[in-house]
Amino acid sequence: SQTIHQWPATLVQPVGSPLSLECTVEGTSNPNLYWYRQAAGRGLQLLFYSVGIGQISSEVPQNLSASRPQDRQFILSSKKLLLSDSGFYLCAWTGGNGDTQYFGPGTRLTVL
Amino acid sequence: GDSVTQMEGPVTLSEEAFLTINCTYTATGYPSLFWYVQYPGEGLQLLLKATKADDKGSNKGFEATYRKETTSFHLEKGSVQVSDSAVYFCAFNYNFNKFYFGSGTKLNVKP
Repeated sequence: SQTIHQWPATLVQPVGSPLSLECTVEGTSNPNLYWYRQAAGRGLQLLFYSVGIGQISSEVPQNLSASRPQDRQFILSSKKLLLSDSGFYLCAWTGGNGDTQYFGPGTRLTVL
Repeated sequence: GDSVTQMEGPVTLSEEAFLTINCTYTATGYPSLFWYVQYPGEGLQLLLKATKADDKGSNKGFEATYRKETTSFHLEKGSVQVSDSAVYFCAFNYNFNKFYFGSGTKLNVKP
């Protein structure tokens, strides 16, 4: 069966520090991968999605970036965090037919 | 443009009450429809889905019917439990790359 991992689970970072969040998927190949952000008490904001290694589509211009160095690995990065980057970051994947999206457990980021 | 509209929360019900959470969508294609549930501090879990008109998705006592004529996918449950307290998201997908989510509806069930 397929599983999706995210780490770290929680992170507290100072303003201006770098960020790296990692997501990996097991039990499937060539998934579509997604990064979402959820502000407190709010809905989901799609940040990036990827249909293959090195292929990244950005949905919202901001100080975040994403990379996909391996088929089942998706990384969210920032060079300098802002207070507004605080939130709950969710990674998700879909399989070959792209029909259903499955989510990871999330990373809670607090920028102070 | 493509979007999902779901009723604002929070919705507060007593245990064993009937639940309806309304969801309508605007899509230029012919979408698959989903309901996801999010418990506090966790990621989203797929609750149910329907892929074509008049299909009924069901799971854990929850149901939703794909109504193409009204572009709706309302979530219902006949008797809610305290353990159903969570945030519920309506969503659709039709081009295999992007999913469109509603803003979420928080459900509070009181004993």
